[in-house]
Amino acid sequence: EIVLTQSPATLSLSPGERATLSCRASQSVSSYLAWYQQKRGQAPRLLIYDASNRATGIPARFSGSGSGTDFTLTISSLEPEDFAVYYCQQGSNWPNTFGQGTKLEIK
Amino acid sequence: EVQVLESGGGLVQPGGSLRLSCAASGFTFAGYVMTWVRQAPGKGLEWVAAISGGGGGTYYADSVRGRFTISRDIPKNALYLQMNSLRAEDTAIYYCAKGRGGSNYLLDCWGQGTLVTVSS
Repeated sequence: EIVLTQSPATLSLSPGERATLSCRASQSVSSYLAWYQQKRGQAPRLLIYDASNRATGIPARFSGSGSGTDFTLTISSLEPEDFAVYYCQQGSNWPNTFGQGTKLEIK
Repeated sequence: EVQVLESGGGLVQPGGSLRLSCAASGFTFAGYVMTWVRQAPGKGLEWVAAISGGGGGTYYADSVRGRFTISRDIPKNALYLQMNSLRAEDTAIYYCAKGRGGSNYLLDCWGQGTLVTVSS
């Protein structure tokens, strides 16, 4: 089973700042890496697929990069609605797995 | 509108069984991988199981393999998760999710979840 490790566990930033979230895989997942956003009390929402492609309707301030074992989700300028928990997920091997999440909170 | 709606959650004793259902609408059900994901109270997401569009391929997390069975009824547009030998650590919100077209792993439509509580 591939283990995904996200860092940091919590990120405290202010609106307008840039956020950089990391996801590291225990072995290569090629580009089969997705990012999801989950707000309190809601189901997750797909943000980024195949490491760097934005899902339908996702604002351009969200971007993803990386391949192999190291991936990054960047939010260029935080909006109030971006404060949430973010998860990475790999689709290279079964079982698919999620990272433990990064909580993005308002500073 | 593409939708998935879970049902069947509830309180069950350790060692007991429960079957979750997920009703799908707004898309060609047989054309997409379907997945169950769970979330324990206050914790992160845990991928549980997936099934191929035609139902011939099933995949499980190590934590549930041998206890849970995923299945689908294509004419009924329904996804199921049969859960046996339930443990306290299976307590979670269980989400049904539709796969994105052409992908085995992307989840582009989620239900609101159904709560399973395993307790005596």
